[in-house]
Amino acid sequence: QSVLTQPPSVSGTPGQRVTISCSGKSSNIGSNFVHWYHQVPGTAPKLLVYRNNERPSGVPDRFSGSKYGTSASLAISGLRSEDEADYYCAAWDDSLSDLVFGGGTKLTVL
Amino acid sequence: QIQLVQSGAEVKKPGASVQISCEASGYTFTSYTIHWVRQAPGQRPEWMGWINGGYGTTRYSQTFQGRVTISRDTSVNTSYLEVSGLSSEDTAVYYCARGIMVRGATYYFDFWGQGALVTVSS
Repeated sequence: QSVLTQPPSVSGTPGQRVTISCSGKSSNIGSNFVHWYHQVPGTAPKLLVYRNNERPSGVPDRFSGSKYGTSASLAISGLRSEDEADYYCAAWDDSLSDLVFGGGTKLTVL
Repeated sequence: QIQLVQSGAEVKKPGASVQISCEASGYTFTSYTIHWVRQAPGQRPEWMGWINGGYGTTRYSQTFQGRVTISRDTSVNTSYLEVSGLSSEDTAVYYCARGIMVRGATYYFDFWGQGALVTVSS
């Protein structure tokens, strides 16, 4: 069981907007930044959003992150087939003194 | 361009040790941390620890403390991960990643190696 809870899967059709949630506690999301990574199976994870809502250069503004209290969300608008991947949230946990990842969410573009 | 290139796949027997390397290029190695993250098949990533490229200081996840050693050689811009006492549960892809500090000892990872599969089997 992951410290950060994500839905196992989400789906959408091309052009749609989907959101992926990440639920935690005061010791992790509640007091630290949340970062998001996506991973195409068989390849390394890639940074998508850092510090809750900032995008690295090269990541389109279709991807946006937000954080409220002990939860965070990743929104993907204008869904494209190439967005199909696994998405992970991550945050430092002060109680565990550990960096924790969510269980991952598989995005399917129908 | 920034690259992290890892050594190849390994097959080990239970109880053995494994060492994986991660060669960095395209940036000043001593100015950043290198982190190690493993991912078992079908599982979420697990953070294992980091090393400061300049000072050589390390910090380990409590999950792996005592069984993992992270080191670096600044002459070849390379970090090494050694895992001892391998069991079948250690079968995973092991990634290195460059860490960017956000606050205190917390980081995010902006560049990742390609991963190294370690298979533990008798």
